[in-house]
Amino acid sequence: EDQVTQSPEALRLQEGESSSLNCSYTVSGLRGLFWYRQDPGKGPEFLFTLYSAGEEKEKERLKATLTKKESFLHITAPKPEDSATYLCAVLPYNTDKLIFGTGTRLQVFP
Amino acid sequence: NAGVMQNPRHLVRRRGQEARLRCSPMKGHSHVYWYRQLPEEGLKFMVYLQKENIIDESGMPKERFSAEFPKEGPSILRIQQVVRGDSAAYFCASSSDRGGGNQPQHFGDGTRLSIL
Repeated sequence: EDQVTQSPEALRLQEGESSSLNCSYTVSGLRGLFWYRQDPGKGPEFLFTLYSAGEEKEKERLKATLTKKESFLHITAPKPEDSATYLCAVLPYNTDKLIFGTGTRLQVFP
Repeated sequence: NAGVMQNPRHLVRRRGQEARLRCSPMKGHSHVYWYRQLPEEGLKFMVYLQKENIIDESGMPKERFSAEFPKEGPSILRIQQVVRGDSAAYFCASSSDRGGGNQPQHFGDGTRLSIL
């Protein structure tokens, strides 16, 4: 069964304190792995797509990496405005639906 | 704003009433997906539609729920005879290609359905 597990469930960081969020997945065949950011009361906002092991993508203070079993979202020197829930999702080859993890709720304090 | 538009943002219904949720995809997108998010749970796929066709409804309950994406107008998710367990946030997404493999699925801000 295709499955996505994210850890930790919640993370509290001081401003400037770098850290990583984990997304472990099992999927019959991976068409793509997606990271989204979701603010309270809003819909998921697209961040990155990763397609194959070894691939990396960067945007401002965020960097996403991919292996055959997991993806990491690295946050470098976070700011309070990075506070949000970060969602990981996979798109298997045999379907057109995203399978989501339950997210990591990140809080960055000044 | 050329993003995915959902309305209403909030909808309150009494048990037994009908709920209609609307979604206009991003300009140029012909693939629409509906997801449901229950408190403390992840987003769960419900249905995938293209214009006038339901492609995959494997995540949608077989009773009381239906979806359409007509040739003209928005996609509609319809819930008949609502029950308390239908209370959730319903999100619509759209993409320019099938599944969003090459271009990602983009989401609206959802409709929050509350059942009294």
